[in-house]
Amino acid sequence: GQQVMQIPQYQHVQEGEDFTTYCNSSTTLSNIQWYKQRPGGHPVFLIQLVKSGEVKKQKRLTFQFGEAKKNSSLHITATQTTDVGTYFCAVHGSSNTGKLIFGQGTTLQVKP
Amino acid sequence: SQTIHQWPATLVQPVGSPLSLECTVEGTSNPNLYWYRQAAGRGLQLLFYSVGIGQISSEVPQNLSASRPQDRQFILSSKKLLLSDSGFYLCAWARLANTGELFFGEGSRLTVL
Repeated sequence: GQQVMQIPQYQHVQEGEDFTTYCNSSTTLSNIQWYKQRPGGHPVFLIQLVKSGEVKKQKRLTFQFGEAKKNSSLHITATQTTDVGTYFCAVHGSSNTGKLIFGQGTTLQVKP
Repeated sequence: SQTIHQWPATLVQPVGSPLSLECTVEGTSNPNLYWYRQAAGRGLQLLFYSVGIGQISSEVPQNLSASRPQDRQFILSSKKLLLSDSGFYLCAWARLANTGELFFGEGSRLTVL
């Protein structure tokens, strides 16, 4: 079935440093979504990428979808303590069933 | 506006006891519904999803089951809990099957002792 690999699993940064998490698939994706889960909370949708090579920005967050639509990245510029949490990518299964598969997640810790 | 309710928020159950977690969605019709489980410090494992009343797809063989008795109600059950069933259970809904974002409930934290 559809799988997506996400790296790294953990990242510790000093406040103000940049952070990037990557998702890779062996198959071409129709779209990819990104979610953020704060400690003790539930995942919250951030963005969806659909087009090949698409780049979207939300303040200090930059999301990219690869040209081949097999990989994606989330980059945070100048991290803040409020960025702490786990970031997940998610992709739909190969059939039109609505199944959404999540990557393993990258947990970000920010030292003040 | 749409809302999703999930309960109970936390529960501690002995091994071998039954389980029932309930999830309801308001403000939308015919949503896709999902149950995910998250072990401590781990990712989201898809357990069940449903595209309509009475239609349940199971992703992982286990001692859990799901039912959708009404359009906006999704129930996760077990007849006999195992220690390995402990985790954070998340219900979610989506408006569109293959392009829509997921909206998650607050989650139910289950500890099996």
